[in-house]
Amino acid sequence: GQQVMQIPQYQHVQEGEDFTTYCNSSTTLSNIQWYKQRPGGHPVFLIQLVKSGEVKKQKRLTFQFGEAKKNSSLHITATQTTDVGTYFCARPSGKSTFGDGTTLTVKP
Amino acid sequence: DTAVSQTPKYLVTQMGNDKSIKCEQNLGHDTMYWYKQDSKKFLKIMFSYNNKELIINETVPNRFSPKSPDKAHLNLHINSLELGDSAVYFCASSHRNPRTLSHTGELFFGEGSRLTVL
Repeated sequence: GQQVMQIPQYQHVQEGEDFTTYCNSSTTLSNIQWYKQRPGGHPVFLIQLVKSGEVKKQKRLTFQFGEAKKNSSLHITATQTTDVGTYFCARPSGKSTFGDGTTLTVKP
Repeated sequence: DTAVSQTPKYLVTQMGNDKSIKCEQNLGHDTMYWYKQDSKKFLKIMFSYNNKELIINETVPNRFSPKSPDKAHLNLHINSLELGDSAVYFCASSHRNPRTLSHTGELFFGEGSRLTVL
């Protein structure tokens, strides 16, 4: 089926280090969304990317959509303990498929 | 005001029992969903209703039966609970583009219902 693959599954960083999670699709995506789920919480929408090559920033978070619209990334600069959680990419069309998520832990 | 609310938050029950989870959204969305999140945090869609009509029915045992009495409510009834049903069940809602079948804008999730089957 049409899935989005997300790597890595886990990432442990020291506070202040950078973090990146990647999302890849075998088919062209019309758009892609990113969500964050804090430990014990529910997924919360972060952003939607629509255009080829699009780059959007939210403070220390940078989201990119690939030129071919088959991949996307989320980069966090200088992680903080408040960044801990699981980050999901999601393909909104059809069955709203979510990537497997990347769980970020930050050591103070 | 909670946008998407689901009850109960926690449910502990014995194998073989029947249980229900309820969900309500006050966002005026036309589409509601049930997702299952397992212990590895994988989020899998189970069902989706658009204006009370079932539009997505993934490969889910028929012990699971969703019901949407109106477009603001989506309930999930589970018969003959099994150990493998233990998970967090999330309700979500969105607007849906009737032409592309994509949800437009974001998915709003409820806080989840943690089901533990003993």
